[in-house]
Amino acid sequence: DVKVTQSSRYLVKRTGEKVFLECVQDMDHENMFWYRQDPGLGLRLIYFSYDVKMKEKGDIPEGYSVSREKKERFSLILESASTNQTSMYLCASSPPLESYGYTFGSGTRLTVV
Amino acid sequence: AQSVTQPDIHITVSEGASLELRCNYSYGATPYLFWYVQSPGQGLQLLLKYFSGDTLVQGIKGFEAEFKRSQSSFNLRKPSVHWSDAAEYFCAVGAAETGANNLFFGTGTRLTVIP
Repeated sequence: DVKVTQSSRYLVKRTGEKVFLECVQDMDHENMFWYRQDPGLGLRLIYFSYDVKMKEKGDIPEGYSVSREKKERFSLILESASTNQTSMYLCASSPPLESYGYTFGSGTRLTVV
Repeated sequence: AQSVTQPDIHITVSEGASLELRCNYSYGATPYLFWYVQSPGQGLQLLLKYFSGDTLVQGIKGFEAEFKRSQSSFNLRKPSVHWSDAAEYFCAVGAAETGANNLFFGTGTRLTVIP
């Protein structure tokens, strides 16, 4: 069964900490995405990647960075966590253009205190 | 720019009743359209998708959706709702012409099913 795995389901971090959210897919997908989900706002795209070492900003990249050193792994980094980054973070992957078929991970609920 | 509107934030239906969740999109060309479902504490699961062809699309779990270009709509329907359908539903639009395959999501509709 193909899957997207997010390393943590729940995470609590302190303000100012550097936070790493990890996402691994086993489908050999080129495309990977990080979204955050907040009540009433739906899903908002933070960053995405079409290839190894490639990254593009989404709609809300401020305060975040990403790393894609290997095809299967896409990491989201909060350089200095703040309370307004408390949210549900969803990772997704998909095959190339015109295939779509996003597969989502189960999400990481991050609380910054 | 692409956008998706789900006008209903929360809908409550009785088990066994029919369901229609509304979705309107804004996009200049023919869009790629999707419905996803999210159960509490889970990621999103694809229910169905429309790329081209027959405007009535069948999905998993007994759901269907109809693409109406004249109304810029892609409403999700189910003839008889089960208690297990209680979840949040997201409509999304994709735009291949931009050279990207990003999806733009609506804000979601939360479905409550009462016995």
